[in-house]
Amino acid sequence: TQLLEQSPQFLSIQEGENLTVYCNSSSVFSSLQWYRQEPGEGPVLLVTVVTGGEVKKLKRLTFQFGDARKDSSLHITAAQPGDTGLYLCADPNTGKLIFGQGTTLQVKP
Amino acid sequence: DARVTQTPRHKVTEMGQEVTMRCQPILGHNTVFWYRQTMMQGLELLAYFRNRAPLDDSGMPKDRFSAEMPDATLATLKIQPSEPRDSAVYFCASGLGSSFSSYNEQFFGPGTRLTVL
Repeated sequence: TQLLEQSPQFLSIQEGENLTVYCNSSSVFSSLQWYRQEPGEGPVLLVTVVTGGEVKKLKRLTFQFGDARKDSSLHITAAQPGDTGLYLCADPNTGKLIFGQGTTLQVKP
Repeated sequence: DARVTQTPRHKVTEMGQEVTMRCQPILGHNTVFWYRQTMMQGLELLAYFRNRAPLDDSGMPKDRFSAEMPDATLATLKIQPSEPRDSAVYFCASGLGSSFSSYNEQFFGPGTRLTVL
């Protein structure tokens, strides 16, 4: 099993601040996915990254896949309270999802 | 608006009782997954089905858990007998899968929060 380590585990910031969360592994992945889970709901797919060095943007969210395809990062610019939630990276390469432990983000108004 | 539905949303039961959780996947999706989420272990796959056939149930305690798909519109997860350590949120997800489903999206239901006293 390829282990996905996410950091930090918890992050509490003020509205308007920038942040970056990380998803690391010693293994190489064909692709990685990022999900966001809001309280009381199931995870929702944000993005799939498939090419080493790839950068994808989703409004204020920027996702990067490492050149060696072992790690990924998610950067949020000018965080909003609506960004609050659990951010999960996942390995989708075996037809099922293997998740990291997630980063819990709280954005205070 | 197609969604995965799960019932019940909340269940409180006593140790030893049988618990059945139900999931209705999105119409047309051929793959159904059951996950369990706890603070300690995070999100873990319990089992999944493709075209109603079980493909992998290695994450499921075999002695007390069972998962079935009586038809394409219903998946069930049963625990008998339940134990306090089964307390968790159980998610069902569905998607369109094939032998190598690297990039297919899984759509999650809202979960069943189970508390076993």
